[in-house]
Amino acid sequence: DAGVIQSPRHEVTEMGQEVTLRCKPISGHDYLFWYRQTMMRGLELLIYFNNNVPIDDSGMPEDRFSAKMPNASFSTLKIQPSEPRDSAVYFCASSLFGFGYTFGSGTRLTVV
Amino acid sequence: GIQVEQSPPDLILQEGANSTLRCNFSDSVNNLQWFHQNPWGQLINLFYIPSGTKQNGRLSATTVATERYSLLYISSSQTTDSGVYFCAVDNPGAQKLVFGQGTRLTINP
Repeated sequence: DAGVIQSPRHEVTEMGQEVTLRCKPISGHDYLFWYRQTMMRGLELLIYFNNNVPIDDSGMPEDRFSAKMPNASFSTLKIQPSEPRDSAVYFCASSLFGFGYTFGSGTRLTVV
Repeated sequence: GIQVEQSPPDLILQEGANSTLRCNFSDSVNNLQWFHQNPWGQLINLFYIPSGTKQNGRLSATTVATERYSLLYISSSQTTDSGVYFCAVDNPGAQKLVFGQGTRLTINP
């Protein structure tokens, strides 16, 4: 298995632009998680899905953030409009039955 | 929500030394994992260990769920062991991992 695949690896964008991060989970996994890592706040959960359905989005910082999972093999995290404080590394992870998470390589987002 | 505390925050050792990293958590858990974040930022799953003891080469981990702590042991450290080690837990039924702040391990040659 290729593991959890995220794209792009790096993204530099200007303030106000829309940013879309992508994730392909491990085939057969039924949970998908989006995390954000910053120096100040560490690793924090933004949202997670079970069988493509959003279960808990309480970590999504504000309405500028949205996430979708249209099918079992693809998820997106969108920021519109982006702001400099959104700069962080965004990780996607998947798991089977909620145990044994596997993380992707992350997307380093820089908003200038 | 559940709280996770890791200690020490920083650890600097010489190659070949042994180390013990600790993770305390505030409530019963369904899931506990140890991760290594390497200098390139990748999060590597080391152990899934909600209870008991596991070993993988020079690394081993023990979780005492009744006392709400877990230990990660690294023996004969190598420079490639450098990075940040995270403990992450979730409550039964919560299905979402909460991460500690990590232990930054530096192994000098």
